[in-house]
Amino acid sequence: NAGVTQTPKFQVLKTGQSMTLQCAQDMNHNSMYWYRQDPGMGLRLIYYSASEGTTDKGEVPNGYNVSRLNKREFSLRLESAAPSQTSVYFCASSETVTYNEQFFGPGTRLTVL
Amino acid sequence: AQTVTQSQPEMSVQEAETVTLSCTYDTSESDYYLFWYKQPPSRQMILVIRQEAYKQQNATENRFSVNFQKAAKSFSLKISDSQLGDAAMYFCAYRTIQGAQKLVFGQGTRLTINP
Repeated sequence: NAGVTQTPKFQVLKTGQSMTLQCAQDMNHNSMYWYRQDPGMGLRLIYYSASEGTTDKGEVPNGYNVSRLNKREFSLRLESAAPSQTSVYFCASSETVTYNEQFFGPGTRLTVL
Repeated sequence: AQTVTQSQPEMSVQEAETVTLSCTYDTSESDYYLFWYKQPPSRQMILVIRQEAYKQQNATENRFSVNFQKAAKSFSLKISDSQLGDAAMYFCAYRTIQGAQKLVFGQGTRLTINP
């Protein structure tokens, strides 16, 4: 039982390049989330998927797209990376019932030059 | 929209002592959940403790306890008998009862344990 896995762990991009961050969970959770963590700002929600087939914007969605590929996988895409997207990205999942905690992946450190 | 504020960017405590981390939040909802997450240098987010707003009793998990003051919108974390392994960033988070389980995080408090 691996929980929530993310790939890659580290990535360096040049401005304008694109990439996809992958996330998978093996806990059969309905809901999945993407957060970014910047120094001094805590974690902020980018996009979330309450259930398979649905996605919604969070607090900071600009510059990102997501795909809920199936119940297990939820990817985050940067179409044209910008230095402002340098951050640590976390994927999380939870069961869609009250009081359940979110389980987080190990994070991806992304640097955009 | 809900907001969460942690006014202490850094705290330090002697090993075996007690430390309290502060958190305040703003919401118009009457029922919600509150959480404290720990993030050690490994970056992994670990749930420490959680509190349901409709419960008056403060949550406790071993050496970790909260002081939940609903009227004051305050949710502090007390760590007793501090250990070196408690050194980490601590984040307070709010979650609404209704709809998707989106978490709103505070800015975090870096806790240092002095041996």
